[in-house]
Amino acid sequence: AQKVTQAQTEISVVEKEDVTLDCVYETRDTTYYLFWYKQPPSGELVFLIRRNSFDEQNEISGRYSWNFQKSTSSFNFTITASQVVDSAVYFCALSAGYSSASKIIFGSGTRLSIRP
Amino acid sequence: DSGVTQTPKHLITATGQRVTLRCSPRSGDLSVYWYQQSLDQGLQFLIQYYNGEERAKGNILERFSAQQFPDLHSELNLSSLELGDSALYFCASSVATWEGNTGELFFGEGSRLTVL
Repeated sequence: AQKVTQAQTEISVVEKEDVTLDCVYETRDTTYYLFWYKQPPSGELVFLIRRNSFDEQNEISGRYSWNFQKSTSSFNFTITASQVVDSAVYFCALSAGYSSASKIIFGSGTRLSIRP
Repeated sequence: DSGVTQTPKHLITATGQRVTLRCSPRSGDLSVYWYQQSLDQGLQFLIQYYNGEERAKGNILERFSAQQFPDLHSELNLSSLELGDSALYFCASSVATWEGNTGELFFGEGSRLTVL
């Protein structure tokens, strides 16, 4: 079975603080992809990053960084120097098994509020 | 703008009724996915079509059905509507091949269904 767990339902921090959103996944497949999506108050889902299971290199994109650790089945997302515009619901997602049905399973999301 | 178009954006209807939600994928994307987002269930995968054929099925009720047409647009039909069907329905598209999905999903802005 495949599962994505985002244990943090809501996080609230003051602007300019760093914040980490946790994501733990479960899959028996050796080939899989992990994603992060952002859902701002306007409602649309915006793709942030994709990682495949063979690439454990951490990635940094501006104030965003991602830490992928297969040993702990985690794919955590850190926002450095948070801004009010970062306020959104963030979803971690998993697509497993290259030759199987390609549905992407989403975690329950973490609602991030950045206070001015 | 993701390039995925969903109509209608908002829909209010009564219990027992039937509605059709429409999705036009990004140009060139062969795969269309439908997701339901409700407050208590999070983002749930419903169904995926690839080039007109059903590819994967998730937690889709028997009262719901979907299809993808030769021009690649898709429709999600919801019938015998219940109060609990009130949700945001997202369509997404990707460049997924038949064998599997390795790319990100591009989401439409969603269709908000309210059943009274």
